Amino acid sequence: SQQGEEDPQALSIQEGENATMNCSYKTSINNLQWYRQNSGRGLVHLILIRSNEREKHSGRLRVTLDTSKKSSSLLITASRAADTASYFCATAGNFGNEKLTFGTGTRLTIIP
Amino acid sequence: AAGVIQSPRHLIKEKRETATLKCYPIPRHDTVYWYQQGPGQDPQFLISFYEKMQSDKGSIPDRFSAQQFSDYHSELNMSSLELGDSALYFCASSLGLDLFSGANVLTFGAGSRLTVL
Repeated sequence: SQQGEEDPQALSIQEGENATMNCSYKTSINNLQWYRQNSGRGLVHLILIRSNEREKHSGRLRVTLDTSKKSSSLLITASRAADTASYFCATAGNFGNEKLTFGTGTRLTIIP
Repeated sequence: AAGVIQSPRHLIKEKRETATLKCYPIPRHDTVYWYQQGPGQDPQFLISFYEKMQSDKGSIPDRFSAQQFSDYHSELNMSSLELGDSALYFCASSLGLDLFSGANVLTFGAGSRLTVL
């Protein structure tokens, strides 16, 4: 079973609108990270939130974390065509170089 | 800045053949990870190495093996290839826990696309 389940699996919005993606996970975590993947390319780290944080901002990105519900959301404000990509949440436990476990991803399409 | 280098970028093989993928991590990164991503799927963890020793193992088939060499580059060897092995294979590297964030952030390579015919 997947550690992270993403919701929705696909999202299409008009350029300039805000996009919200959700992620749920199952086990306890040290931190949760969001990655972006352009079609057929590598994953790029976007933002990280630690388990003792509730909200984090980075430019047009806002991520929230609710450890009681084991869920996180990623908000991209004022979307641009270049934001078209797949977005994955990834969780890690408490060990130093522990692997990341990825969710199923949300395919975001920004319509110009 | 140097990134994670993977080769080859594309590889086409026949069933039952063998394939080898290479990964060159970012200098001074001490941990290498291999992930497999099937079409429309999320990346699945295969195996990782810390300081040239296997540190974790995921859903890696017995037909696959990997190692990390003295220069820290890593190779993923895949034998008796099956159609279902067609996927993107990513290598990532990290420095382990970041002192500021307390988190392990991975830097991914561009991936190697394996097509098995």
